[in-house]
Amino acid sequence: AQTVTQSQPEMSVQEAETVTLSCTYDTSESDYYLFWYKQPPSRQMILVIRQEAYKQQNATENRFSVNFQKAAKSFSLKISDSQLGDAAMYFCAYRREETSGSRLTFGEGTQLTVNP
Amino acid sequence: KAGVTQTPRYLIKTRGQQVTLSCSPISGHRSVSWYQQTPGQGLQFLFEYFSETQRNKGNFPGRFSGRQFSNSRSEMNVSTLELGDSALYLCASSSTYGEMNTEAFFGQGTRLTVV
Repeated sequence: AQTVTQSQPEMSVQEAETVTLSCTYDTSESDYYLFWYKQPPSRQMILVIRQEAYKQQNATENRFSVNFQKAAKSFSLKISDSQLGDAAMYFCAYRREETSGSRLTFGEGTQLTVNP
Repeated sequence: KAGVTQTPRYLIKTRGQQVTLSCSPISGHRSVSWYQQTPGQGLQFLFEYFSETQRNKGNFPGRFSGRQFSNSRSEMNVSTLELGDSALYLCASSSTYGEMNTEAFFGQGTRLTVV
């Protein structure tokens, strides 16, 4: 079974600084997707960034970028120029590529605080 | 385009009762998945529906069931409620490329409290 581990329950960063959230996963599959979701106090899960395992290039979305290390099964999220609105719970998630259905396996989450 | 809509937002039920939660996916999305979020267990997959058929199921007891209608709207039902069923229930819809899902977009969830 696939597992996703986020070893940092809480992180904090100063506004305008950079922070990196860690995620490791375990799978025997070669084709899969990895995601970072953000869950603010409103509770809605918002997709931040996705990475296809077959792509060697790390995904980037504006201030958000990932460091995907397939061999090490590591998938960290870097947030640059942190803003107060980035404060939220961040979840790393894994999804196997399959046609018979899909499910997301989530990590435990990292609570990010942004200090003004 | 409207997002994923879940109703109701909040629900309080008594042990032993049953409850039905509703999810309307993004227009055009045929896949709907349900997740349970609790402080102790985190986010856990319940089941997924695609074209009115359940094609993936998590490790939950038979008290948890669901269905999907021809317009892709989905409902999940929990019978004989237990205190441990208190949770945030999240619905996610995905578009598909063939039968492969793309990104999942989540609703705001239904907060169920069992007393």
